[in-house]
Amino acid sequence: DIQMTQSPSTLSASVGDRVTITCRASQTIDSWLAWYQQKPGRAPKVLIYKASILESGVPSRFSGSRSGTEFTLTISSLQPDDFATYYCQQYGSYWTFGQGTKVEIK
Amino acid sequence: EEQLVESGGGLVQPGGSLRLSCAASGFPFRIYWMHWVRQVPGKGLVWVSRIQSDGTVTTYADFAKGRFTMSRDNAKDTLYLQMNSLRAEDTAVYYCAREDPLYAFNLWGQGIMVTVSS
Repeated sequence: DIQMTQSPSTLSASVGDRVTITCRASQTIDSWLAWYQQKPGRAPKVLIYKASILESGVPSRFSGSRSGTEFTLTISSLQPDDFATYYCQQYGSYWTFGQGTKVEIK
Repeated sequence: EEQLVESGGGLVQPGGSLRLSCAASGFPFRIYWMHWVRQVPGKGLVWVSRIQSDGTVTTYADFAKGRFTMSRDNAKDTLYLQMNSLRAEDTAVYYCAREDPLYAFNLWGQGIMVTVSS
């Protein structure tokens, strides 16, 4: 089974900050990685798929990248609507989610 | 509008059974693989099961094998999760989700709460 190690688990940041969240896969998944945003009481919403492709309608301040088995979600300038929990998910071999990163107000 | 709506959740005693439903609308349900994902309140997302578009192949997480059965009725645009021998640790919000091979899980239901307690 492929494990996804996501860090940090919590991130305190201010509006306007650049934020980076990392996920590492236990084995190669090529670029079969998605990032989701979840707000309290709501279903997850896909932000990025295939490691770096922005879902339609998602603001361009979100970006994703890959280096081998390490994947990064970057928010270039944090906005009030971005305070939420973010999950990575590999879908290269079955499906596994990372543990989540809660982005909270500093 | 593309939509998934879960139903059938609630309170059940340990050892009991529950069947969740997920009604799809606004898209050609029959061509998509579908999944169930669960989330203990305050915790992370956990993949539960998957069913191929024609319903012939299902895959389960280890904790679901032998207890949960996923099925679908493409004529009714509905997905099901039959859960038997329920345990307290199955208490969670259950989401149905649509998989696109490229776009990952790009449509989710609103979630339905399942509580296993005496």
